Amino acid sequence: GIQVEQSPPDLILQEGANSTLRCNFSDSVNNLQWFHQNPWGQLINLFYIPSGTKQNGRLSATTVATERYSLLYISSSQTTDSGVYFCAVRGDNQGGKLIFGQGTELSVKP
Amino acid sequence: DAGVTQSPTHLIKTRGQQVTLRCSPKSGHDTVSWYQQPLGQGPQFIFQYYEEEERQRGNFPDRFSGHQFPNYSSELNVNALLLGDSALYLCASSVPWGTGANVLTFGAGSRLTVL
Repeated sequence: GIQVEQSPPDLILQEGANSTLRCNFSDSVNNLQWFHQNPWGQLINLFYIPSGTKQNGRLSATTVATERYSLLYISSSQTTDSGVYFCAVRGDNQGGKLIFGQGTELSVKP
Repeated sequence: DAGVTQSPTHLIKTRGQQVTLRCSPKSGHDTVSWYQQPLGQGPQFIFQYYEEEERQRGNFPDRFSGHQFPNYSSELNVNALLLGDSALYLCASSVPWGTGANVLTFGAGSRLTVL
């Protein structure tokens, strides 16, 4: 099955810094979502981005489907950005299921 | 607009018991998926329900079963609980696969502890 690798596994930032999270996947996909999981376990959808570039405030994401990777950019980080960021993909012949990476745990210090 | 709601939020069971978790999808969604998230790992797909039928299943034993009701809500049942079943159980809803941008919306989860 399709493999999803996220890097780095952990990241510690000072408030105000910028960061880039990466997601590599092993096969072609028709769905890619970035999620933020807060300390209470809620998965919040950040982007639906199987290809192209999107921006939402301080966050932006780019997926290069032909090269099988996606990047999530966080600018001017805030302590509320702390948590785990997951990339999830659906392969072209995988039906409806999403395959999640292991996540990047981000900690933003004041 | 209510999102995906799950109940209960927390529960504790002992080995061998059975548990039922419940999920109401987001308004306008009719497809429900269940995921298991062990501590420190990413969510893993259990199964998906559409039109009251299991449409797709992940690599989980038959102890895990589900149901979808005519109002699109869903239940996840786990029999003969094992210690390894301790996890956060997440429900996600969406429009049917193949009908456009299939964005999954997740509930807050049910945290199950098996002692």
